[in-house]
Amino acid sequence: QQQVKQSPQSLIVQKGGISIINCAYENTAFDYFPWYQQFPGKGPALLIAIRPDVSEKKEGRFTISFNKSAKQFSLHIMDSQPGDSATYFCAATGGGNKLTFGTGTQLKVEL
Amino acid sequence: EPEVTQTPSHQVTQMGQEVILRCVPISNHLYFYWYRQILGQKVEFLVSFYNNEISEKSEIFDDQFSVERPDGSNFTLKIRSTKLEDSAMYFCASSEDRWDTEAFFGQGTRLTVV
Repeated sequence: QQQVKQSPQSLIVQKGGISIINCAYENTAFDYFPWYQQFPGKGPALLIAIRPDVSEKKEGRFTISFNKSAKQFSLHIMDSQPGDSATYFCAATGGGNKLTFGTGTQLKVEL
Repeated sequence: EPEVTQTPSHQVTQMGQEVILRCVPISNHLYFYWYRQILGQKVEFLVSFYNNEISEKSEIFDDQFSVERPDGSNFTLKIRSTKLEDSAMYFCASSEDRWDTEAFFGQGTRLTVV
């Protein structure tokens, strides 16, 4: 029940395209859903986060869509750039700051 | 920009040896965490620490592990008797408080147990 399922495992997108990564959770106590970006040799860095009281949050080219009834949320990267190539982790937490991470998506943006 | 710093960046140790991984959290942060990432796998929570005591720990964080804040700036993870399966990237993180705030991660320490 503590798991966060993430897909796809890897994704190749052309420059300028839209990257979409999906996550699903089971624990209804989760109330904060961040996305982290990780470059090789670096720690995860917060990209964008959402709470379940809104269905969408946009920051620049990054948008989280949240479906509370389906217990799913997704990250959309618009106008994907080669510099976006990284591993993306969805995460969830509830009642504290212990993060439960998804399994990660390796994104490659090709020219 | 303030950051979490970890030392060393890479540590190689023999099975059965003790290791101490060190972290300097962001100075005004009150909550500290250790996570680990086995190569190619997801990031897993180990332990959170607040007010000089463990506030939560995972099933991974058994008696072989301990954490300490020996002074006002450092936060350490000790593995008493390392096993091969302890080989992983260990990340320290800190946050201003517990609720609804960003956890900032360090760059990690790669621990290799041989």
